[in-house]
Amino acid sequence: AQSVAQPEDQVNVAEGNPLTVKCTYSVSGNPYLFWYVQYPNRGLQFLLKYITGDNLVKGSYGFEAEFNKSQTSFHLKKPSALVSDSALYFCAVSPPRGSTLGRLYFGRGTQLTVWP
Amino acid sequence: SAVISQKPSRDICQRGTSLTIQCQVDSQVTMMFWYRQQPGQSLTLIATANQGSEATYESGFVIDKFPISRPNLTFSTLTVSNMSPEDSSIYLCSVLQGQETQYFGPGTRLLVL
Repeated sequence: AQSVAQPEDQVNVAEGNPLTVKCTYSVSGNPYLFWYVQYPNRGLQFLLKYITGDNLVKGSYGFEAEFNKSQTSFHLKKPSALVSDSALYFCAVSPPRGSTLGRLYFGRGTQLTVWP
Repeated sequence: SAVISQKPSRDICQRGTSLTIQCQVDSQVTMMFWYRQQPGQSLTLIATANQGSEATYESGFVIDKFPISRPNLTFSTLTVSNMSPEDSSIYLCSVLQGQETQYFGPGTRLLVL
């Protein structure tokens, strides 16, 4: 069965400090990996994705994520957090082929709070 | 990325009634999806909306409760039928662009009293 784990319900960091939001997955094959962000009373916004190639991918708003195949992880990172980064972050995976093409399996979400 | 709009953005409904949510995309897309996000929860896929044929429902979701239409490549509707307070959620549509990335609409916030 496909599953995505975000082990931390909440992450709190001070503005200017680096941040990491963790994600591990259990999906057969070589899945596509995604991060989305949800601001209060808004829909989901796409941040970045890993399909293939370089393990470090860069996305919107200065975020990046590192794919680690051996650890089946896809942690979201940012070198210097901003108060405006405070939001709910979702990790998601998609099996790349066959009848499950396009289906996204989401983690529970991690609430990021950046303190000024 | 595609621009996706949903109507209504929010609604308060009485139990036993039905609500139809519309999803409009500004370009033709092959695949459209409907998700539910219950309060404080993650997103759960309800169904894949197929153009010209019946939607494909995920386990735990049935057509009688969540009928879906997709008359063309830019529009879809989801109806929440015979609502109960447990149906209070955010309902989001999404589209697949290329073969990889889904983009989401702003969501419809539903409260059932």
